[in-house]
Amino acid sequence: AQTVTQSQPEMSVQEAETVTLSCTYDTSESDYYLFWYKQPPSRQMILVIRQEAYKQQNATENRFSVNFQKAAKSFSLKISDSQLGDAAMYFCAYTPRGTGNQFYFGTGTSLTVIP
Amino acid sequence: GAVVSQHPSWVICKSGTSVKIECRSLDFQATTMFWYRQFPKQSLMLMATSNEGSKATYEQGVEKDKFLINHASLTLSTLTVTSAHPEDSSFYICSASGVAARQETQYFGPGTRLLVL
Repeated sequence: AQTVTQSQPEMSVQEAETVTLSCTYDTSESDYYLFWYKQPPSRQMILVIRQEAYKQQNATENRFSVNFQKAAKSFSLKISDSQLGDAAMYFCAYTPRGTGNQFYFGTGTSLTVIP
Repeated sequence: GAVVSQHPSWVICKSGTSVKIECRSLDFQATTMFWYRQFPKQSLMLMATSNEGSKATYEQGVEKDKFLINHASLTLSTLTVTSAHPEDSSFYICSASGVAARQETQYFGPGTRLLVL
C-alpha cells in the first residue's frame, strides 16, 4: 500500500526562524514524485516544491528546501526565515510515475508563525 | 502559469436541487482533471479522476449517479451534485495536470464551498 505520513499535526515557529516539517511515505516504486503543498486560510492549494525521486539533488525554492532521503523514504520541508504569510496547512503528497498522476496525500501539518 | 479556476466559489442551495461546479485550466491543456472533497481540518479526499473525452473513474464509495463528472474539453471539467442533501455540504476542489514538462504535477483550483439547506 502506498501511504504518506505526516506525524506532526501542528507546529509553530517564531517569525524569522527556521522550521522543518516531516513527511514519510511507503512505496515499492522506484520512480515517483513528491510534493509539498500549502493551504492557507483561503483554502487555495498552492504548490510549494516538487522533487523527482531519481534526482539526488534536493529541490529548493527560495526560502523552501527539502531533505529527500530516498532509502529512508523521508521527505521533509525546511522553511527558512519564516514569515507570517507562511502560516498555513502543509500537505505532503506522492505520486508514482506513469500511473495517471493520482496523488496520495498526508494528513497535513498546521503551521503557526508567531510574531 | 498553470492557473486553474473554479466557479462558483460559494453556493447555497435547497435540498433536492442540483448544483454544477465548473473547473477550468486557463493557460494549459489539462489532460487529466481531479475532483476532491475536503472536510474541515482534514486532508483532501479524491472523488474521481477524469480524462478529456472519457468517462470519469470514481473512487470506491463515491456514487456515480450522485456526483456527475463531465470532461468535455481539454480546459473544462464539471461536477454536478444531483439532488443535493445537507450531507453533501462540503468544500469541493478540482485540480488539473498536463503542463508540459510537469505532466505529473497537479494544479489546484480555489475550491467551491457548498451549503445545502
